Amino acid sequence: NAGVTQTPKFQVLKTGQSMTLQCAQDMNHNSMYWYRQDPGMGLRLIYYSASEGTTDKGEVPNGYNVSRLNKREFSLRLESAAPSQTSVYFCASSNNSPLHFGNGTRLTVT
Amino acid sequence: RKEVEQDPGPFNVPEGATVAFNCTYSNSASQSFFWYRQDCRKEPKLLMSVYSSGNEDGRFTAQLNRASQYISLLIRDSKLSDSATYLCVVNPRAYNNDMRFGAGTRLTVKP
Repeated sequence: NAGVTQTPKFQVLKTGQSMTLQCAQDMNHNSMYWYRQDPGMGLRLIYYSASEGTTDKGEVPNGYNVSRLNKREFSLRLESAAPSQTSVYFCASSNNSPLHFGNGTRLTVT
Repeated sequence: RKEVEQDPGPFNVPEGATVAFNCTYSNSASQSFFWYRQDCRKEPKLLMSVYSSGNEDGRFTAQLNRASQYISLLIRDSKLSDSATYLCVVNPRAYNNDMRFGAGTRLTVKP
């Protein structure tokens, strides 16, 4: 039972570099989400995809882009990383409640 | 004011103790409520949903007070394995895309 799989688990980037975080789910969920988690703050929604072919901005979308490649996969791209994007990123999926999270990606931007 | 506020703790309690966490939310129209558990450096996992009439799952009891806009989580007979951060989650709408997370309350249960 893989559930929600995220890659990579860890990444260090230099300011200005780009990268894509990958997420795949095998639960046939319609909705997928990207969150970031910072110390002292709750998880904040970056982007979500309510269904295949649609994406929408969440609470903190600036500096990110997403692609819902198919029903299983939802990727998050940082075009030009900034130190403010140092965070732990979680992908999640659901068919309404509850949310099922991936293991997270720890990203450091220096 | 944050949309969902929790006491960050930490709460340090001995095994067997009863501990309670509260969480307040600002949107009076919020429709659904949850408690998630997050272990250190792991992903959040659903602990329980919170229903209007209150609900219990083993040693865990969740309650909702819409008039005062807070939810609570009571843990009875604490176990060492209950040590984690507990996240309060509020959904102002029917769709998951609007979930609002509290920053979490850290619990440490000591022998």
